[in-house]
Amino acid sequence: DAKTTQPPSMDCAEGRAANLPCNHSTISGNEYVYWYRQIHSQGPQYIIHGLKNNETNEMASLIITEDRKSSTLILPHATLRDTAVYYCIVRVGGVYNQGGKLIFGQGTELSVKP
Amino acid sequence: GAVVSQHPSRVICKSGTSVKIECRSLDFQATTMFWYRQFPKKSLMLMATSNEGSKATYEQGVEKDKFLINHASLTLSTLTVTSAHPEDSSFYICSVPKSGDSGHEQFFGPGTRLTVL
Repeated sequence: DAKTTQPPSMDCAEGRAANLPCNHSTISGNEYVYWYRQIHSQGPQYIIHGLKNNETNEMASLIITEDRKSSTLILPHATLRDTAVYYCIVRVGGVYNQGGKLIFGQGTELSVKP
Repeated sequence: GAVVSQHPSRVICKSGTSVKIECRSLDFQATTMFWYRQFPKKSLMLMATSNEGSKATYEQGVEKDKFLINHASLTLSTLTVTSAHPEDSSFYICSVPKSGDSGHEQFFGPGTRLTVL
């Protein structure tokens, strides 16, 4: 079973920041938080991951609370092409576990509206 | 460019026939690949882990004799749906993890849509 809880759907206005929450209250110390998204009828796409520090890349920012029980994915300037299902996944990481399987929950369906 | 390819992208077959789906890692070698299936408006469900040089590992409830997996080389895994029935109609997706220090990212194929008549 997935170890995360996400709202089933969210709307966001084009050009505004999209903030997608994820609850992972049972996360273990060696588990990372990963975010993927799936645009309709395509394979999922990696967005970002983190362990305990906040992370930023060209796609998004990941804010992890100090107790690591929740996190927020931020798309700073959402566009219509960001409309997708966003999945928050926790999984054991580390050099010897990066090839481990990803278990998907239900995700959040983000609709970016003009 | 694409890192993982799948072939075919779409297939329609008659009930009782077998269908083979290929997953290729284009940029790097992979000793492990994963196979998922996805029903309409549902999340991805992990079916099995494909292991190069050894038998695949199936998730609970997935019939290994129904879904045959062969990891033929370090860049190719195949999933064969044997004696397909309409309930096997689904979107099948493979993924390839990138090994090494930067191996947190997994690359997914574009998916294969199977329709069994």
